[in-house]
Order: sequence, then structure tokens, then C-alpha cells
Amino acid sequence: AQSVTQLDSHVSVSEGTPVLLRCNYSSSYSPSLFWYVQHPNKGLQLLLKYTSAATLVKGINGFEAEFKKSETSFHLTKPSAHMSDAAEYFCVIYTGGFKTIFGAGTRLFVKA
Amino acid sequence: DTGVSQDPRHKITKRGQNVTFRCDPISEHNRLYWYRQTLGQGPEFLTYFQNEAQLEKSRLLSDRFSAERPKGSFSTLEIQRTEQGDSAMYLCASSLVAGATDTQYFGPGTRLTVL
Repeated sequence: AQSVTQLDSHVSVSEGTPVLLRCNYSSSYSPSLFWYVQHPNKGLQLLLKYTSAATLVKGINGFEAEFKKSETSFHLTKPSAHMSDAAEYFCVIYTGGFKTIFGAGTRLFVKA
Repeated sequence: DTGVSQDPRHKITKRGQNVTFRCDPISEHNRLYWYRQTLGQGPEFLTYFQNEAQLEKSRLLSDRFSAERPKGSFSTLEIQRTEQGDSAMYLCASSLVAGATDTQYFGPGTRLTVL
């Protein structure tokens, strides 16, 4: 069975410090993996995606994620948090057909 | 590119009433998905269309739910005899399937409140 697990329901950082949002996946096949961000009362916005090309994926707004098959992880990072990064982040796995599975989400708080 | 649009953005209804939501996908996208998102949870798959054909429905989609995508363009999601448990955000996404991946672009959602 395919699944994603976001290891933290909440993460709090200070503005200007690094961000790490953790995601582990389980899949019998080579998955496509995505990170989406959802700001309050806004739709889901695609941050980045991994589709079996480069394992280090760069996305929008300075975010990047590294696909590690040996660790079955796809953690999202950003070197320096900004207040505008405060939002809910979802790790998503796609394994073909219609099978898109969302993690439960990680809420990122950014303190001034 | 106007993105995925959904209408209405908010809907308040009384228990037992019927409601219908509309989704307009990105033009030329061949897939259209409906998801439901409850507070504090990630979106859950409801159903999807490849062009005009509805190819899969989740067990979450009871007989009270029906979705259509006439002519493979916009889609509607209807909920009959609404219940308080139907209160949620209903999200629509579209994609143009290419190769082995499926990158979905989401609309702003319709928030349903059933009183």
C-alpha cells in the first residue's frame, strides 16, 4: 500500500532560521512526490515535485526537497524562513492512475 | 492561464437541502479531480474524470453525491439531502497527464456549512 507520513503536525521557527518539514513515504513502485502549501482561506499551491529525475528538487519561494530512497524520505527545507511562509504544508504521493494520497499536513509557524 | 476556478466559494445550507458546486478546470486539462478536506486534515480523494468519463469513485462518495463533467469541460458536484457531516471544504483540481506523473493544480475550494 502507498502512504505518506508527515512526522510533525506543527513546526515553529523564528524568522530567518532554517525550515525542515519531514515526510516519509511508503510505496511498492517508484513514486512521484509533491509538496503543496495552503495559506489560510486559499487553495493548494504546488511548491515542488519529484518525478525520478534529479533527487534534489528546487521549488518556488526558496524551498527545496531531497528524495532519499534508502530512507524513504522527501523532506522539505528552506534556508531562511520568512513570515509569509506561515501556512499548512502537505506532502503528497502519486503512484499512478488516480492514486494521489495526501499527508495529514504540517502547520508551520514563523515567529518574528 | 486563469487557473482552476470554483463557484461558489462559500455555501451555507440547511440539513436536507440539495447543493451543487461547479469547477472550471484549466483549459485543455484532461483530468479533473474532486477532493474533500475537513478541518485539520489533508484532502481526501472523492472522484475523478478523464475527459468526460468518471473513472473512479471513493467509498466516501455515498449515493447522495453525484458528479458530472459534460463534454469534458467544467464539472459539477451535487450533494442531495445534505447532512451536518457533509460540512467541509470541497476542492477541485485539474491536470494534463503526461508520462508517469500527474501534476494537479487546485482551485480555491468551496466551503460548505450544513446547519
